[in-house]
Amino acid sequence: DTGVSQDPRHKITKRGQNVTFRCDPISEHNRLYWYRQTLGQGPEFLTYFQNEAQLEKSRLLSDRFSAERPKGSFSTLEIQRTEQGDSAMYLCASSQGQGDEKLFFGSGTQLSVL
Amino acid sequence: SQQGEEDPQALSIQEGENATMNCSYKTSINNLQWYRQNSGRGLVHLILIRSNEREKHSGRLRVTLDTSKKSSSLLITASRAADTASYFCATNRGAQKLVFGQGTRLTINP
Repeated sequence: DTGVSQDPRHKITKRGQNVTFRCDPISEHNRLYWYRQTLGQGPEFLTYFQNEAQLEKSRLLSDRFSAERPKGSFSTLEIQRTEQGDSAMYLCASSQGQGDEKLFFGSGTQLSVL
Repeated sequence: SQQGEEDPQALSIQEGENATMNCSYKTSINNLQWYRQNSGRGLVHLILIRSNEREKHSGRLRVTLDTSKKSSSLLITASRAADTASYFCATNRGAQKLVFGQGTRLTINP
């Protein structure tokens, strides 16, 4: 069990640029979640996958955001035409998908949009 | 939107004292979970309590749940400097996602 890993840890970009984050969940976990967290707030749900299927998307996820999980393994979150309001910590979590859901989180990707 | 509200937003105590944090939520739940987050890091699961349970213990942690009041509390006994972190409650309503509160920032002073 190597834990949930996220890459990169930090990303600085200019407004209008596209960015992509990667998440590698714990290998036997079939559910994968993306959350966004701003300073002093709790994580806000963005989307989640059951294997390769994206089952729910938050209204927070505008059409500039897209997430994929090809083959039900790693996941990517892409933000197109970034805005300063996108600056936040993007957290990935995974779970086994059985019964009571305990989430295992990665260390997050801190995005700064200048 | 966030379902839970933690109280207090910030708490500062001396090492060795007990710390109590409260969480209120709005709708019926299947379970409630508490997580800890150290600065700039991901969240770590601490404890889960189901809707049909009233109290649960794990080491120095004690969680209570009152579904009639839609509230939960997390007690950390004999606090240590390493307990300094933000603590979040999260509710599971049967949908697959967890909904987090805004958190309590706990500072343990040596």
